[in-house]
Amino acid sequence: EAGVTQFPSHSVIEKGQTVTLRCDPISGHDNLYWYRRVMGKEIKFLLHFVKESKQDESGMPNNRFLAERTGGTYSTLKVQPAELEDSGVYFCASSQVARQGGGMNTEAFFGQGTRLTVV
Amino acid sequence: AQSVTQLDSHVSVSEGTPVLLRCNYSSSYSPSLFWYVQHPNKGLQLLLKYTSAATLVKGINGFEAEFKKSETSFHLTKPSAHMSDAAEYFCVVSERGGNQFYFGTGTSLTVIP
Repeated sequence: EAGVTQFPSHSVIEKGQTVTLRCDPISGHDNLYWYRRVMGKEIKFLLHFVKESKQDESGMPNNRFLAERTGGTYSTLKVQPAELEDSGVYFCASSQVARQGGGMNTEAFFGQGTRLTVV
Repeated sequence: AQSVTQLDSHVSVSEGTPVLLRCNYSSSYSPSLFWYVQHPNKGLQLLLKYTSAATLVKGINGFEAEFKKSETSFHLTKPSAHMSDAAEYFCVVSERGGNQFYFGTGTSLTVIP
């Protein structure tokens, strides 16, 4: 069974450009999460999808970030325009059970992350 | 509110000696607790999880952790370190039924031959 895959693995862009990160969750997983680790700090929650719906986007830093999950399958995270402080590693995770109120207490499977560098 | 404190940013042990990675948490409700490991250029892999069953949890690769509510701790241990254990380890807390994982800042484990 394929795990969570993220593309690209690395991206280097100039300040002001646009970048789109993609996450393919494990097939059948309703929950999809985006996380970010900036400059070796803690990994922080960005948002949570249940199928195609945004369950919680309280961690999105600002309106330069847009996440979508059309059809409830793969998800994209677009940064437009990118700023220097957006550099970091973006992780995607998925889990199987979509309970009322969401929940990540079942095992979450993480992708290897996308390392974004904004110069 | 949930939060996690990993007390050591770096731990260095000799191969064959015990490993102890410390984690303290705060949670308003009954938490679920996890340890994840990240090897270089790899994704985060679940080592073990506590979700209100036995307080001593056994994970993969010989790791285990004990949930101590009175101490609000969930320290990760292994009796004998192996070179392949060198990686970064994250302690994670989630309010049971909640939406989010709260990560610690990570502990980098170095194993000396």
